[in-house]
Amino acid sequence: SQELEQSPQSLIVQEGKNLTINCTSSKTLYGLYWYKQKYGEGLIFLMMLQKGGEEKSHEKITAKLDEKKQQSSLHITASQPSHAGIYLCGAANNNDMRFGAGTRLTVKP
Amino acid sequence: NAGVTQTPKFRILKIGQSMTLQCTQDMNHNYMYWYRQDPGMGLKLIYYSVGAGITDKGEVPNGYNVSRSTTEDFPLRLELAAPSQTSVYFCASRRRDRGSEGYTFGSGTRLTVV
Repeated sequence: SQELEQSPQSLIVQEGKNLTINCTSSKTLYGLYWYKQKYGEGLIFLMMLQKGGEEKSHEKITAKLDEKKQQSSLHITASQPSHAGIYLCGAANNNDMRFGAGTRLTVKP
Repeated sequence: NAGVTQTPKFRILKIGQSMTLQCTQDMNHNYMYWYRQDPGMGLKLIYYSVGAGITDKGEVPNGYNVSRSTTEDFPLRLELAAPSQTSVYFCASRRRDRGSEGYTFGSGTRLTVV
């Protein structure tokens, strides 16, 4: 089955700093999803990447899928306290989705 | 539009007890899912359904049962609760032909088995 590895496991940044979270797959990705989760809440869909080399942005968050479709990165520019939470990548797997373990982001004001 | 609604939000069970976690969606989504989330472990798929009357096992189905008698409802049944089932449970749904929109998640049920 497909394994997704996220790095780092946790990240603490000062407000205003940029950061990157990585998601690496053991198999070719046919659909890579990024979600954000606030503590005690459900997951919020951020964006989905499908094509090699694809890049999408939503406000100050940019996600990329590499050409080989086995790695994705999520980049946050000028982080804010509202960006804090757990970021999870998910890979489409036939009729369901498998997730990485998540990256916990703390933004210090 | 309520989205995906899960009840209860919190529950404490004693070992050996049974319970049903409820999940309802009002978006007419074909596909529905149950995941569990343990600390630092991401989400693990328990069961999923691609339509009424059809269910299938995910990665960690042991100790759980599901049914899908209607498009809207996808309850998860725990029989003989064990401490290993202490977790946060999430229900999710999506339309069959809209994979690019991602899943819609409920707010979760936090279950403790003591």
